[in-house]
Amino acid sequence: GQNIDQPTEMTATEGAIVQINCTYQTSGFNGLFWYQQHAGEAPTFLSYNVLDGLEEKGRFSSFLSRSKGYSYLLLKELQMKDSASYLCAVRGGGNKLTFGTGTQLKVEL
Amino acid sequence: GAVVSQHPSRVICKSGTSVKIECRSLDFQATTMFWYRQFPKQSLMLMATSNEGSKATYEQGVEKDKFLINHASLTLSTLTVTSAHPEDSSFYICSAPEGDRTEAFFGQGTRLTVV
Repeated sequence: GQNIDQPTEMTATEGAIVQINCTYQTSGFNGLFWYQQHAGEAPTFLSYNVLDGLEEKGRFSSFLSRSKGYSYLLLKELQMKDSASYLCAVRGGGNKLTFGTGTQLKVEL
Repeated sequence: GAVVSQHPSRVICKSGTSVKIECRSLDFQATTMFWYRQFPKQSLMLMATSNEGSKATYEQGVEKDKFLINHASLTLSTLTVTSAHPEDSSFYICSAPEGDRTEAFFGQGTRLTVV
């Protein structure tokens, strides 16, 4: 079976750094994705990890530990527009993506 | 970059009627497309995998006779919600992987409201 957990909600201050964690237990693993989704819109691709370690992409970084079934998304220099839902997703066989519960991030002044 | 177009973006229908949602890959061929459903404040739940030239594969708990999927060509998959009921009101979204590219491309989503 597939089980992917994330915190439901997080609040952070503009300009700060926030880390959103994701733990997973899946029957197959072929990469982990992070997506950003604003209300009523389609998810937007942020990052992809298939090997252990840190992937950095501008203000966003994502980390993966396959042995621990753990990933995090790090957002730096937070901006108000970063307020959104962040979805962790694991790709199994056949390119299927299984999504986590999503973390609603609220950025405050 | 690759683009997936989904239509319509919003639809309101009466209970008992059927609604068809289209998902097109605009600049690449997609032998596989995925259909998701998302209820308010929840994550995306995979409904089915649409396979070009063969039957769709449905996830457990999804009624295949209610959610008809047709993948008639390498660029088009359709989801028809038959005999819609208010509980079918949701955000439906498709995605398509492009070859070996890592990320899946999502359509814009369809907000279905059944009244």
